[in-house]
Amino acid sequence: NAGVTQTPKFQVLKTGQSMTLQCAQDMNHNSMYWYRQDPGMGLRLIYYSASEGTTDKGEVPNGYNVSRLNKREFSLRLESAAPSQTSVYFCASKQGGGASYGYTFGSGTRLTVV
Amino acid sequence: DAKTTQPPSMDCAEGRAANLPCNHSTISGNEYVYWYRQIHSQGPQYIIHGLKNNETNEMASLIITEDRKSSTLILPHATLRDTAVYYCIVRGYSGGSNYKLTFGKGTLLTVNP
Repeated sequence: NAGVTQTPKFQVLKTGQSMTLQCAQDMNHNSMYWYRQDPGMGLRLIYYSASEGTTDKGEVPNGYNVSRLNKREFSLRLESAAPSQTSVYFCASKQGGGASYGYTFGSGTRLTVV
Repeated sequence: DAKTTQPPSMDCAEGRAANLPCNHSTISGNEYVYWYRQIHSQGPQYIIHGLKNNETNEMASLIITEDRKSSTLILPHATLRDTAVYYCIVRGYSGGSNYKLTFGKGTLLTVNP
């Protein structure tokens, strides 16, 4: 049981390039999330998908787009990368909105924009 | 979601209990207390959560005060592998907040040999 799988693990982009971060979960979870983590700061929510077919903005959505391709997959796209988007990106999933469920996180994608 | 306050860092000797405090004085009746941790360079890991009663699982115990304004995460026998940043999060289950989890800066717990 792999849990939440993120690809790639590392990426270096030049300013203005685009790329898509992939996330897949095999736990049949309904909700999926994208966070970023910068040095000395906690995690900040970029976008989330409460269920298949829906997406909503989080705290820091500017410069990003997302796609909930199906129940398993939730991708994050940077259309024109900027140095301010250098960060570690975490994908997470959760079974539902009930109190009995914690979030399962992937191992992260370390992105550097030069 | 209610704001939480945690000490920025703590030390603990290996084999001893680690007690991590969290203040959440503005917590409301329907908000749960969650604890996660993040070991260096890894994704956050769920530890435990509770509403009013104390909770225990294979990883830790969660003690919530009667007025629910503070809580303590207890790792009963800390090991070197428990060195991590521990996040205390208060979160409700109503409307749009169902789907967000706000992480602060947490407490860096260092377990020393």
